Amino acid sequence: NAGVTQTPKFQVLKTGQSMTLQCAQDMNHNSMYWYRQDPGMGLRLIYYSASEGTTDKGEVPNGYNVSRLNKREFSLRLESAAPSQTSVYFCASRTDRVGQPQHFGDGTRLSIL
Amino acid sequence: GEDVEQSLFLSVREGDSSVINCTYTDSSSTYLYWYKQEPGAGLQLLTYIFSNMDMKQDQRLTVLLNKKDKHLSLRIADTQTGDSAIYFCAEGGKLIFGQGTELSVKP
Repeated sequence: NAGVTQTPKFQVLKTGQSMTLQCAQDMNHNSMYWYRQDPGMGLRLIYYSASEGTTDKGEVPNGYNVSRLNKREFSLRLESAAPSQTSVYFCASRTDRVGQPQHFGDGTRLSIL
Repeated sequence: GEDVEQSLFLSVREGDSSVINCTYTDSSSTYLYWYKQEPGAGLQLLTYIFSNMDMKQDQRLTVLLNKKDKHLSLRIADTQTGDSAIYFCAEGGKLIFGQGTELSVKP
């Protein structure tokens, strides 16, 4: 089982460049999430999608946009990258059944110079 | 808003028990989770506990929940060097994460 797949695994950008991070899951989950992980700050929710066609802001949405392309795919876009967006980005998905945990991808390590 | 707090570091000797603590604020959380993150990898679910339970044991892992104090702990018995990782507690459906506790196991 592939689970949650994120691409790319690593990326270096210059300030002002744009970039889309891709995420796909093969578990037929309704809900999908994007987090960023920074040292000493745990994971912070950027955006989430409770179902195909819906998206909602999380704790730190500024500077990001998302698209829930279909049930499988949930992409995160940086329109004009800034050094403060240097981070590790994780995508996760979960079923709607109460108490079920999220399943995470391996992350995208993004550096913005 | 909702918040989850953990201490940042814990260092133990191989063979000792490790106890990682977590406090949370959302008393309506139905489930609380422990995730493990090894270097360079994503988060893996380690264990979870339903809010109407006080304790859950799974091999070397024991989870204790004190709902009154909103305190959750993860005990790892006979800690091994392979247990070295960052451990996150999380609560709620959207998963509010703590900052993560980096466990270092010395031989």
